[in-house]
Amino acid sequence: LAKTTQPISMDSYEGQEVNITCSHNNIATNDYITWYQQFPSQGPRFIIQGYKTKVTNEVASLFIPADRKSSTLSLPRVSLSDTAVYYCLVGTTDNYGQNFVFGPGTRLSVLP
Amino acid sequence: GAVVSQHPSWVICKSGTSVKIECRSLDFQATTMFWYRQFPKQSLMLMATSNEGSKATYEQGVEKDKFLINHASLTLSTLTVTSAHPEDSSFYICSATDRSGGTRDEQYFGPGTRLTVT
Repeated sequence: LAKTTQPISMDSYEGQEVNITCSHNNIATNDYITWYQQFPSQGPRFIIQGYKTKVTNEVASLFIPADRKSSTLSLPRVSLSDTAVYYCLVGTTDNYGQNFVFGPGTRLSVLP
Repeated sequence: GAVVSQHPSWVICKSGTSVKIECRSLDFQATTMFWYRQFPKQSLMLMATSNEGSKATYEQGVEKDKFLINHASLTLSTLTVTSAHPEDSSFYICSATDRSGGTRDEQYFGPGTRLTVT
């Protein structure tokens, strides 16, 4: 199983850019890198997924260096509503299960 | 995007009774669904993998006779907590993968079900 390491918590202020880095030294060739956001008492919500280089969508960017041993989720101009737990997952799913586990995630607090 | 629903969103039951939680994929077919449990301030813990038409695969330490999973169709999986006890009180979340779109390996999560056993 690909093990991931993220900061347990981060604080930011409204309007700032937030970068959360995830380390995954033993990522496998077939593994994707996926980030989820979770608010209290809700299911996780997909943010972004990538395999290599840079991926951008309407809410975030994901930077993945060439060795793929880490990745950085970038949230531009955060607002109070971005306060949540962010999970970095590395692995794949198939009909037999999944080869990743949810780590503790990063608890992001956005302050006014 | 793909939507997964769960019912009920919350349930309170008495110790010793059984509770069924439904997980539905609303606009896609889910060959595989996953069931998680999450305790307060903790991360999601995978309980089992549910495949349509076959027996579920349980993670180590999860009692298959206590947590009955049925995946009768491509859009519905159910989790039944049998003989529930207060320590089973938790937030139960299901997810499903939609492989119709190609290679993206994304799970779609339901909103979760809060179970409280008194």
